[in-house]
Amino acid sequence: NAGVMQNPRHLVRRRGQEARLRCSPMKGHSHVYWYRQLPEEGLKFMVYLQKENIIDESGMPKERFSAEFPKEGPSILRIQQVVRGDSAAYFCASSTGPNEKLFFGSGTQLSVL
Amino acid sequence: AQSVTQLDSQVPVFEEAPVELRCNYSSSVSVYLFWYVQYPNQGLQLLLKYLSGSTLVKGINGFEAEFNKSQTSFHLRKPSVHISDTAEYFCAVRSNSGGSNYKLTFGKGTLLTVNP
Repeated sequence: NAGVMQNPRHLVRRRGQEARLRCSPMKGHSHVYWYRQLPEEGLKFMVYLQKENIIDESGMPKERFSAEFPKEGPSILRIQQVVRGDSAAYFCASSTGPNEKLFFGSGTQLSVL
Repeated sequence: AQSVTQLDSQVPVFEEAPVELRCNYSSSVSVYLFWYVQYPNQGLQLLLKYLSGSTLVKGINGFEAEFNKSQTSFHLRKPSVHISDTAEYFCAVRSNSGGSNYKLTFGKGTLLTVNP
């Protein structure tokens, strides 16, 4: 039973490009959460999604960031027109329900040049 | 709103020595408390959690933590560490009631380095 899979593991983008981060939850999990870890900071909640629905995006920056979790396929965190301040580790977690145990992926390290 | 403070960003220890990683939290509501570990190039893994009941919680790999409500602390301990315990350790809390109780609030992490 594979765990939460995130890819790519490392992503390098130049300022102004788009970044797409993918997260495949554990089998049987329909709840996905994205967290961001800026340098020297703890992980911060960004967004909570269920299949085809955004439940809570209160931690997402208002501009340039979007997330989706389609009926088929992985969850995608999309960052448009990246800036250097977007450089961070982005972690995805999944669960069978909102109060159930979270399983985390290994993260995607985004570096913006 | 909650916040978590991990007082030490790095803790170096020698193998077989005891270790304590400190965690203090602040919250206006009752919370559940967690410790996660992140080994190099891996995802976060749950070490232990406090939901209710006994304030001394035992987790995997010989770790334990004690919830102290009056001091709002949840320090992690291990009586004898191994080289394989070298990792980043994160303390986290989440509300145990209300509509947004799925959100975890993390500390900045403590890098535990175990030297031979």
